[in-house]
Amino acid sequence: GQNIDQPTEMTATEGAIVQINCTYQTSGFNGLFWYQQHAGEAPTFLSYNVLDGLEEKGRFSSFLSRSKGYSYLLLKELQMKDSASYLCAVIPAGNKLTFGGGTRVLVKP
Amino acid sequence: GAGVSQSPSNKVTEKGKDVELRCDPISGHTALYWYRQSLGQGLEFLIYFQGNSAPDKSGLPSDRFSAERTGGSVSTLTIQRTQQEDSAVYLCASSLAKRTGELFFGEGSRLTVL
Repeated sequence: GQNIDQPTEMTATEGAIVQINCTYQTSGFNGLFWYQQHAGEAPTFLSYNVLDGLEEKGRFSSFLSRSKGYSYLLLKELQMKDSASYLCAVIPAGNKLTFGGGTRVLVKP
Repeated sequence: GAGVSQSPSNKVTEKGKDVELRCDPISGHTALYWYRQSLGQGLEFLIYFQGNSAPDKSGLPSDRFSAERTGGSVSTLTIQRTQQEDSAVYLCASSLAKRTGELFFGEGSRLTVL
């Protein structure tokens, strides 16, 4: 089966940096994705990694190491509006996007 | 519309009744997913349609759940003889064939079984 693990909850201060780790064990690998979901809303796509390395998009960056089955999402210059759940998802063999349980990030002033 | 549309947005039903949830994906998106999300939990995969291929039904929790996609567009998720544990938000998402991990989600259908 597929196994995607990420911490349940993290707390950080406004203006700081937070790193959300995700480890995965899947049958095959066709890409890793991060989504943001505010409470009561639908998830929205943040980033995509298929090759090793860092992808930067504004205040958000995502890193992938395929050999380690590891990714992280880095949120810089945290803002109150960044309080949300962050979902790590993987496409294993079979092209079916599978999500981890999500990490709830609380940004405090 | 431009986004994924789901209906109804809220559905309250009695245990044992059947319900139908509808999803209208973004035009041109060949991939369509149904997920279920209970309060404070992650997304549980239910079913995946990709073009004309046979759907991946491996996530359906029981034979009370079924889904179809007509004409490669609109999809309906049917839950027969609903149980209280079926209460959740049912999310539909679609994507382009070449970007199958970049999903566009609808606002979801919140199902409450009394």
